[in-house]
Amino acid sequence: LAKTTQPISMDSYEGQEVNITCSHNNIATNDYITWYQQFPSQGPRFIIQGYKTKVTNEVASLFIPADRKSSTLSLPRVSLSDTAVYYCLVGDPLSGTYKYIFGTGTRLKVLA
Amino acid sequence: SAVISQKPSRDICQRGTSLTIQCQVDSQVTMMFWYRQQPGQSLTLIATANQGSEATYESGFVIDKFPISRPNLTFSTLTVSNMSPEDSSIYLCSVVPVQRENTHEQYFGPGTRLTVT
Repeated sequence: LAKTTQPISMDSYEGQEVNITCSHNNIATNDYITWYQQFPSQGPRFIIQGYKTKVTNEVASLFIPADRKSSTLSLPRVSLSDTAVYYCLVGDPLSGTYKYIFGTGTRLKVLA
Repeated sequence: SAVISQKPSRDICQRGTSLTIQCQVDSQVTMMFWYRQQPGQSLTLIATANQGSEATYESGFVIDKFPISRPNLTFSTLTVSNMSPEDSSIYLCSVVPVQRENTHEQYFGPGTRLTVT
């Protein structure tokens, strides 16, 4: 299973764009990259998933370089309500043995 | 999407006792999982709850300590047996809705906060 490495914490200010990078050097050919968000006292929530290049939805963008050994979650114009822990996961969702291995996550604090 | 409820939402228990946590989903799902999240820590997968067969446990978790039932496609229980203070944690149930199986997008319940004294 591909291990992921993320910064432990980040601070940002309201209105700024936040980029959180995840390293996954031993990602396998069939692995996808998935990001979850967790607010205090809640379960994690799916944000975005991608395989290569760029994926964008109404919440975030995910940038994946050609070698796929890292990925960057981009949150445009963050607000105080984006304060949360963000987890990067790597795995093959079509595999019958897909396991969710949550790493340490990145604790994002948005300041006024 | 899927709406998941857990009972109880929190409990304070004495060491040596057992607590059963319920997870109810508003639709039938094939994949259902149980996690533990200790204070300030990340999530750890305990087991996959299989309908009609024994749960599949991750390394470090055993059936005697964490027995799991999955009687149908919308319900599961996790029991924390013979509790000790080290079992104090948040226990989360999650599911993968049928329409999300190609992405393995998981939906999590609100969690059960357990404190063992």
